[in-house]
Amino acid sequence: DTAVSQTPKYLVTQMGNDKSIKCEQNLGHDTMYWYKQDSKKFLKIMFSYNNKELIINETVPNRFSPKSPDKAHLNLHINSLELGDSAVYFCASSPNAGAGELFFGEGSRLTVL
Amino acid sequence: GQQLNQSPQSMFIQEGEDVSMNCTSSSIFNTWLWYKQDPGEGPVLLIALYKAGELTSNGRLTAQFGITRKDSFLNISASIPSDVGIYFCAGRQGAQKLVFGQGTRLTINP
Repeated sequence: DTAVSQTPKYLVTQMGNDKSIKCEQNLGHDTMYWYKQDSKKFLKIMFSYNNKELIINETVPNRFSPKSPDKAHLNLHINSLELGDSAVYFCASSPNAGAGELFFGEGSRLTVL
Repeated sequence: GQQLNQSPQSMFIQEGEDVSMNCTSSSIFNTWLWYKQDPGEGPVLLIALYKAGELTSNGRLTAQFGITRKDSFLNISASIPSDVGIYFCAGRQGAQKLVFGQGTRLTINP
């Protein structure tokens, strides 16, 4: 059983489109995250939810909207996609908001043409 | 904001050699972690450190939490081909968000 699973793994789309990435964790963790990894492999946090409540919201364009229907799921919706949104997006979870150990999904590679 | 400086950015070594990499911060951290990312995969936690001066091993990997709390080191002994990947340090200050270093890309020549 995959601990943190995200779909789709690959996403190729045109500029201006709207797309979503879904994430689910079966670890019973309270906290979930979205990270963006750029072409230089730098990992930057975008959002974090603890028990469905938004606790971290970095300076991210408001075209990005996370949604956590329950503590096991954290989805990411992106409106009006731009070329610069091309990256690998990682979902992660941790037992609680103060825990350092993050468990990452396999990533969703988004390519905007 | 908090920044982590990880070095070296890349390493090219022969199989069997030992590897050392480090991470320094402008701020004091109370947690240091080391992750490894294989191609096409997400980062996987290798070692977690919670106390200044702590030295922790995981097989051939050894990591240390610097005494100043502003740095951490990772050593890999007797490298093997499956050690290839990108190694990330990460640090946390209290309940603040986890900050990642830029990564060290390790390449091993057989």
